[in-house]
Amino acid sequence: GAGVSQTPSNKVTEKGKYVELRCDPISGHTALYWYRQSLGQGPEFLIYFQGTGAADDSGLPNDRFFAVRPEGSVSTLKIQRTERGDSAVYLCASSQTIAMDTGELFFGEGSRLTVL
Amino acid sequence: SQQGEEDPQALSIQEGENATMNCSYKTSINNLQWYRQNSGRGLVHLILIRSNEREKHSGRLRVTLDTSKKSSSLLITASRAADTASYFCATARWTIKAAGNKLTFGGGTRVLVKP
Repeated sequence: GAGVSQTPSNKVTEKGKYVELRCDPISGHTALYWYRQSLGQGPEFLIYFQGTGAADDSGLPNDRFFAVRPEGSVSTLKIQRTERGDSAVYLCASSQTIAMDTGELFFGEGSRLTVL
Repeated sequence: SQQGEEDPQALSIQEGENATMNCSYKTSINNLQWYRQNSGRGLVHLILIRSNEREKHSGRLRVTLDTSKKSSSLLITASRAADTASYFCATARWTIKAAGNKLTFGGGTRVLVKP
């Protein structure tokens, strides 16, 4: 597609439920990032994929969070046993290159998660 | 954790004035990037400056980088009401393990340009 697509745009769930958020990056982009953004804050790094593998998952807050990118394109962020504190906008971004001196990210519009 | 810290947190100016915001960071970087975010929208890349560059221009944007002080500034000249948005700096660090750039964002500067 022309840009990074994230679905759903809005998700309301109850505490304890399981949630999946999907990201469809720009075609050909090898790098894919997930961030979480709370109101009035900057994006908080969660995980970074280079191809199919999670190159850096140091930002995942705990083992309830997991992300996959099985074919090196679409990625899914999975949250188990959701808690109210998980409420935030989850942003996905992709990047074309892995060269040391580049790294411009193209962001989707985000998935707003509300845990009641 | 946030790598960059923006200053000020909020800025209110009149249309036509210049807006300056600063970003400080803690560790060595490969490049520093500035992004803009309109309310409720995704982030849009504005400009990238590499660690061996000191200044860069793009239209009404001017970015400086001082690696000795671990700081950067973004100047928007002749601001317009449409420049109202949040602005974030992001630092890119190359990690061998990841074979790529990890971008870490600061908390942002909220800019209001009054017509």
